[in-house]
Amino acid sequence: GENVEQHPSTLSVQEGDSAVIKCTYSDSASNYFPWYKQELGKGPQLIIDIRSNVGEKKDQRIAVTLNKTAKHFSLHITETQPEDSAVYFCAASKSFQKLVFGTGTRLLVSP
Amino acid sequence: DAGVIQSPRHEVTEMGQEVTLRCKPISGHNSLFWYRQTMMRGLELLIYFNNNVPIDDSGMPEDRFSAKMPNASFSTLKIQPSEPRDSAVYFCASIQGGSGGARGELFFGEGSRLTVL
Repeated sequence: GENVEQHPSTLSVQEGDSAVIKCTYSDSASNYFPWYKQELGKGPQLIIDIRSNVGEKKDQRIAVTLNKTAKHFSLHITETQPEDSAVYFCAASKSFQKLVFGTGTRLLVSP
Repeated sequence: DAGVIQSPRHEVTEMGQEVTLRCKPISGHNSLFWYRQTMMRGLELLIYFNNNVPIDDSGMPEDRFSAKMPNASFSTLKIQPSEPRDSAVYFCASIQGGSGGARGELFFGEGSRLTVL
């Protein structure tokens, strides 16, 4: 089955800096790669996703890149703000219905 | 819409007791998922339903766990008997079928934090 590895497990940046979180997946048939943000005491919430026919997608300060050949994808957050502090999860799937999640990255943005 | 609603938000019980977690998915969503979150294992898919029918329960850890979805607006996850290692946050999530809407978004509830003493 699919296996998703995520790095780093924790990431501390200064406000205004950029943050990058990386994931690798094992199943070449996976074609859907979402990123979820989980704030304390809440459930994960989708922030951006990408499908395998696209190499890059951007939404304001966040962007995701996908390298199908290398089977890795990354989340980029620019101009980080304290409210970006949360746990971020990547996931991979062959459909929307059986997401396999990475182990999460705790991002701390210091003012 | 109120989103995915889970109850209880917190449950503390003693080993051997039965635990029932409840979930109301978003109206119109026809797929429902139960996930378990722990520090050691992260987010694990336990079981999911399409149109109230269990499709994949390969993530259910053992026979002590069972899940039902008697109708489109209600699901339960039951643990009987509970053990300390079941302590975790249990999330319910739902999604529209097919393309899943504009973004294929899986909507999570706020979770039920279970502590088994």
